[in-house]
Amino acid sequence: DVKVTQSSRYLVKRTGEKVFLECVQDMDHENMFWYRQDPGLGLRLIYFSYDVKMKEKGDIPEGYSVSREKKERFSLILESASTNQTSMYLCASSTGTVFSGANVLTFGAGSRLTVL
Amino acid sequence: GQQVMQIPQYQHVQEGEDFTTYCNSSTTLSNIQWYKQRPGGHPVFLIQLVKSGEVKKQKRLTFQFGEAKKNSSLHITATQTTDVGTYFCAGRASNFGNEKLTFGTGTRLTIIP
Repeated sequence: DVKVTQSSRYLVKRTGEKVFLECVQDMDHENMFWYRQDPGLGLRLIYFSYDVKMKEKGDIPEGYSVSREKKERFSLILESASTNQTSMYLCASSTGTVFSGANVLTFGAGSRLTVL
Repeated sequence: GQQVMQIPQYQHVQEGEDFTTYCNSSTTLSNIQWYKQRPGGHPVFLIQLVKSGEVKKQKRLTFQFGEAKKNSSLHITATQTTDVGTYFCAGRASNFGNEKLTFGTGTRLTIIP
């Protein structure tokens, strides 16, 4: 089974702190994604990546950046955390090329971030 | 940008009753996926629909993709307590090479025993 592991299940940070959320997948998937989940808003895409060192903005990239130095690892960075970034963050990965149309997402367990 | 809406946001049903959630996209979709998230868990893939008018069944779950490929539905027959959770649709736009999935807002199903 594909496994997507997020480094922290719960984090509490203060406003202005730099926050790193780490995600590792073990099935050699090309594509990786970061979503945030908020009640009533569903899952919203922050950033995604098709390949190492490659990144694309999702629907809500403001206040976030990402890093993909290795194929299996995709990091989400909050340069200066704010209270409105309190949320559940979900990492996902998928195989399938741009042209295959497969692209079924396998999610990690999530990281619940609270910014005080 | 592409928007995907789901209704209802919440649904409470007696165990044994049927349940339906509807998904509507502002743009034509190349395919649509459904995911289930159990309370405290993460979304898990259920099924993908690709063809216009497609209908797929998984035991008590029936998934439909609209003829215009802009809407979809999930119907559960005779709900059980194991069906509790939030159901999300996720659509991919028809733009060539666009792999971005846009998730719906989700429908949270609770079962009254």
